[in-house]
Amino acid sequence: AQTIHQWPVAEIKAVGSPLSLGCTIKGKSSPNLYWYWQATGGTLQQLFYSITVGQVESVVQLNLSASRPKDDQFILSTEKLLLSHSGFYLCAWRTGDYEQYFGPGTRLTVL
Amino acid sequence: GQGVEQPAKLMSVEGTFARVNCTYSTSGFNGLSWYQQREGQAPVFLSYVVLDGLKDSGHFSTFLSRSNGYSYLLLTELQIKDSASYLCAVSMSNYNVLYFGSGTKLTVEP
Repeated sequence: AQTIHQWPVAEIKAVGSPLSLGCTIKGKSSPNLYWYWQATGGTLQQLFYSITVGQVESVVQLNLSASRPKDDQFILSTEKLLLSHSGFYLCAWRTGDYEQYFGPGTRLTVL
Repeated sequence: GQGVEQPAKLMSVEGTFARVNCTYSTSGFNGLSWYQQREGQAPVFLSYVVLDGLKDSGHFSTFLSRSNGYSYLLLTELQIKDSASYLCAVSMSNYNVLYFGSGTKLTVEP
């Protein structure tokens, strides 16, 4: 069975500080991976996707970047956090054409 | 994005049914999926539709009219635990990009 993990579970960071969020999927080779962001009470918004190691496509950047250093790993980062980066960050993988399965998410608070 | 619209709230009664509506811009459409999201948790995949008509999956059924840019998720025999937000997501041209609606918060009352 496939499992998807995200780290950290929650993070409180200062404006202007760097950020790195991680996502790992086990039990699935060459998965399509996705990053999403959801402001509190807001709409789920796709940020990036990756279909293979080393390749990342941007959907909405929001002053964030993403990398796929390994087949089972997807990283979201920024060098300088903004207040507007606060929210819920979700990683997902896709099976079939339409079914996406989400990780548990990382809750980010920027102060 | 892509004009995916959902009503913000819906209320219904335990044991009855609820229909969650979704409209979207039809240009480039290639599929629509539904997710359930509980407060503070990740969305959970429920169903997807590509072809017109009703797709019956028991407790959840989904309907699609591609020409009208309209779908609904039908929940039958409602239980209190069905109270959650229901998200509609549309895929346009690129299977790797999903556009979500803002979600409909369903409250099931006793």
